[in-house]
Amino acid sequence: QKEVEQDPGPLSVPEGAIVSLNCTYSNSAFQYFMWYRQYSRKGPELLMYTYSSGNKEDGRFTAQVDKSSKYISLFIRDSQPSDSATYLCAMSATSGSARQLTFGSGTQLTVLP
Amino acid sequence: DSGVTQTPKHLITATGQRVTLRCSPRSGDLSVYWYQQSLDQGLQFLIQYYNGEERAKGNILERFSAQQFPDLHSELNLSSLELGDSALYFCASSVEGSSTADTQYFGPGTRLTVL
Repeated sequence: QKEVEQDPGPLSVPEGAIVSLNCTYSNSAFQYFMWYRQYSRKGPELLMYTYSSGNKEDGRFTAQVDKSSKYISLFIRDSQPSDSATYLCAMSATSGSARQLTFGSGTQLTVLP
Repeated sequence: DSGVTQTPKHLITATGQRVTLRCSPRSGDLSVYWYQQSLDQGLQFLIQYYNGEERAKGNILERFSAQQFPDLHSELNLSSLELGDSALYFCASSVEGSSTADTQYFGPGTRLTVL
């Protein structure tokens, strides 16, 4: 079983829809949670960063973390065609002097105009 | 543009060969991370360097090695290449490698094709 599970999609929605992307994880040591967006043939770009449980909002994006359920979500409001990309969740734990990101497999999103 | 640069963009080589991928971190970043992205394995952490020293190792094969130079650029060396090594290789950098709160910024990647 992978440490981080993410529905690979693909997910296709009409412009203006609310998108919900989710990841579950098994390692209770994870404390830092991130969402990256990756356009085709490009490097991942950090979208959201949260620590421990709670919500964080940035414009049209909201990240939620529920550590008790080991479940994180990213919501995109008023989705735009430019949001079409692969979304990767990533997590890290407190591990002394080193940190590494563990990624989900990514969800491919297409927003149709 | 994240500020992280990687060269070359594309590499095509044959099995058994050796290649070197290069990464220049963002100005001021001391940590460099290498990741491999393949269709079947997703994005996987390979190795981290902080200010010239190896800090953490992930799923890096013995045929692969890396180093970080005094000017903080890093190189990933892949030898005895196999077909299964074909993937996107990303470099990321962050300001401080010992804090779990710092953000990693990714470069555009090097696409390696082994024929």
